[in-house]
Amino acid sequence: GDSVTQMEGPVTLSEEAFLTINCTYTATGYPSLFWYVQYPGEGLQLLLKATKADDKGSNKGFEATYRKETTSFHLEKGSVQVSDSAVYFCALSDSSSASKIIFGSGTRLSIRP
Amino acid sequence: GAVVSQHPSRVICKSGTSVKIECRSLDFQATTMFWYRQFPKQSLMLMATSNEGSKATYEQGVEKDKFLINHASLTLSTLTVTSAHPEDSSFYICSAPPKGERSYNEQFFGPGTRLTVL
Repeated sequence: GDSVTQMEGPVTLSEEAFLTINCTYTATGYPSLFWYVQYPGEGLQLLLKATKADDKGSNKGFEATYRKETTSFHLEKGSVQVSDSAVYFCALSDSSSASKIIFGSGTRLSIRP
Repeated sequence: GAVVSQHPSRVICKSGTSVKIECRSLDFQATTMFWYRQFPKQSLMLMATSNEGSKATYEQGVEKDKFLINHASLTLSTLTVTSAHPEDSSFYICSAPPKGERSYNEQFFGPGTRLTVL
């Protein structure tokens, strides 16, 4: 079945550092890809998404490009802030059912002032 | 954005007792809600789909008699863990796409409920 593998954390960076969180997927069809973020004490929020190959999702300075050839959807940000500290989940919509979202294991990001 | 709440945020119970977790959509209606379970350092795993006015749909391997789901209204779904055991200890998360959302890609998540069974 479809699956998502993402970089294990925790990841600790200094403020203004460059961020990459790797995510690769396995899918039989053409899923949509997502990054969700969970801030401390809050529910998961959709950060960005891409629905087809070569699409780039972007939000709040974060970007991720749907790479079909490498089955990847890596999350990047050029200059992180303390407020970016959270858990980030890569996810895809199941090829067989648009209602099902399959999540990666999550990556905890901590940013030092 | 839309808000989904869960109650309680954490609960500790004795083995053999039942625990009810509520999921509410606060500012939108949801004919469908999803229940997930998350073990430490693992993915969220979909347990079941809660449907307003009809029976829930359970994922393979999830015991429907153990995890009772009731979608009482367009803003409330409940998950009852019956005869809980220590292995049921986990983080339970619900989500809901707004009514009328076709692909369910835009789901709104609750903050989760931490269940500890002693």
